[in-house]
Amino acid sequence: NAGVTQTPKFQVLKTGQSMTLQCAQDMNHEYMSWYRQDPGMGLRLIHYSVGAGITDQGEVPNGYNVSRSTTEDFPLRLLSAAPSQTSVYFCASSYSGDTYGYTFGSGTRLTVV
Amino acid sequence: AQRVTQPEKLLSVFKGAPVELKCNYSYSGSPELFWYVQYSRQRLQLLLRHISRESIKGFTADLNKGETSFHLKKPFAQEEDSAMYYCALSGGSNYKLTFGKGTLLTVNP
Repeated sequence: NAGVTQTPKFQVLKTGQSMTLQCAQDMNHEYMSWYRQDPGMGLRLIHYSVGAGITDQGEVPNGYNVSRSTTEDFPLRLLSAAPSQTSVYFCASSYSGDTYGYTFGSGTRLTVV
Repeated sequence: AQRVTQPEKLLSVFKGAPVELKCNYSYSGSPELFWYVQYSRQRLQLLLRHISRESIKGFTADLNKGETSFHLKKPFAQEEDSAMYYCALSGGSNYKLTFGKGTLLTVNP
């Protein structure tokens, strides 16, 4: 099992550019989430999904879009990158978040200039 | 609304000393609580789940519903315990995981 795989690991974008952060899991987990990690802010939930075709907003959804067409994949789209979106992004998945906790990917370090 | 508070941003102890990382939560229902650890520039790893009442790497955590706390403890800290520790809460039917802001633990030789 590869677990949760995120690509790319590093990315530099110019303000206004768009891009997609990829996340894939091979554990047949129902629940998937995207977090951003910023110094002094901890991890904040951007979007989450409780199954294929079902997504919902988290704490900081503005400027991001998600879809979940398959159980395995949960891409995060930045529509028009802004410097405030410079952060480390983590994808996570869980079979049952309440009991087993989430498995995290290795992160994508994004810089918007 | 669910909220997790970790009052200490930084905690520094000497090797062999006891360590306690504090976590308080706010949630109206019955929460599931977790501790995650992140070693330097690595992914977050699940350290403990309150439901399993296990001890991992010498760490334990007890859920105190009266004080709404889930403090992480270890009797004798090791240098390899130096990391960022996050307390997290999951509750309700949507299984959202809410994190505290983290405590950076440094264990000095």
